[in-house]
Parts: sequence; structure tokens; C-alpha cells
Amino acid sequence: EPEVTQTPSHQVTQMGQEVILRCVPISNHLYFYWYRQILGQKVEFLVSFYNNEISEKSEIFDDQFSVERPDGSNFTLKIRSTKLEDSAMYFCASRAGGEPQETQYFGPGTRLLVL
Amino acid sequence: AQTVTQSQPEMSVQEAETVTLSCTYDTSENNYYLFWYKQPPSRQMILVIRQEAYKQQNATENRFSVNFQKAAKSFSLKISDSQLGDTAMYFCAFMKPGTGNQFYFGTGTSLTVIP
Repeated sequence: EPEVTQTPSHQVTQMGQEVILRCVPISNHLYFYWYRQILGQKVEFLVSFYNNEISEKSEIFDDQFSVERPDGSNFTLKIRSTKLEDSAMYFCASRAGGEPQETQYFGPGTRLLVL
Repeated sequence: AQTVTQSQPEMSVQEAETVTLSCTYDTSENNYYLFWYKQPPSRQMILVIRQEAYKQQNATENRFSVNFQKAAKSFSLKISDSQLGDTAMYFCAFMKPGTGNQFYFGTGTSLTVIP
């Protein structure tokens, strides 16, 4: 069965550095998402992406964050200048499209640690 | 804003027994969808079951069923004949159809099935 994949599984970075988290959604999916989960807290929505543009974003998704679909397969989340509070598990998700209640398929996550 | 509450951080159940995980939510919307996702240790979240708010009939998927009480804004998950493979973190999620169709998650319930 097709799966969403994410790389790297773990990333350690210094505060102020840029990081790029990568996701490969399921190939025929049209809608893409990033969520994050700070340790011990809820999984929180960051951004949704469709037709090569952001369709919605949360308050968390400020100017330090950006998303891109640079080719037909990858979906990336960039954090320009990481802060300590960006330490979290970041999940990518995708869904096929059409019906809003369709299943979102989640990747295994990237654990980001900012020192 | 939508909020989802899972009041049971941890639960355990004997193999072959039945367990119920609770979830409540707060919304002013009338049309929405509810989901239970399962996240086994070190694995990605996978959909367990979903419910459309306009349907009165409770969703069922094999050993998994929900008790959806729209007026009470309650959406509990019942797992019958618990199996060792059911050991996982369970997340309740709310989705309002709209521009982004993003999920709002609860904090999760860690379920351990005891042999």
C-alpha cells in the first residue's frame, strides 16, 4: 500500500539555522499538509497546500515558515531561522482530493531538535 | 475555534476485553467530520474510523465502533476483543469542511493491551 514518506527521521540543528523537512506524498494525491507536535502537546495544524499554493495556514505558520512543491513528488517545509520552540515532531499528510472527509494519510514524522 | 479533548492520557486493557476511549469536542458548526487515528510505536498515524456529523448511525469497522452523541459533542471509540496489535496512541480529530480541511487533534490516549 502506498505510504507518505518523510526525511530525515531526526534532525538536530543550532538555533538560527535553516532547516528543510522533506515529504513525499502519495503519488496521485492533490492536497498536502504539515502538522507539528511539541512533546506532550497536541498535534497542531500548520499549513495546507493545493494546486501549488497555500490554501490555509495557522497562526503558527509565520514568516519563518514556507512550503514548496519543487517537483512532482516532493513537498517541503522550510524553517528559515529556527528557534528553540520549533523543537517538535513534524508530520506531513496528503489526501487524494474531491471529498473533504477523505482520509488524510500521514507520514512517520521528522523529529526536529533545536539547540 | 474548534477544540478536541481526550481526558484519558493512558489506558490499559486485557487482551480480548473491550475498552472505550473518550473524546469530546467543542464547535458551533453543524457539518463536520470526526476521526480516530491510531499511531503504533514508531509508526505513522493510520485511520481507524470516521464519522460524518450528519449521519445518526454510529460508524463501525470490524472490532472498532464509535458512540457519536452530537448533542453532547462526544465521540468515543470502542475496541472489542482487544488484541496486542491494538497497543498504540489513539488520536481523536475533528475536521470542518472548508478551504483547508485541516484536522484539529486531541492530545491522544496511550492504550496498552496486556497479554
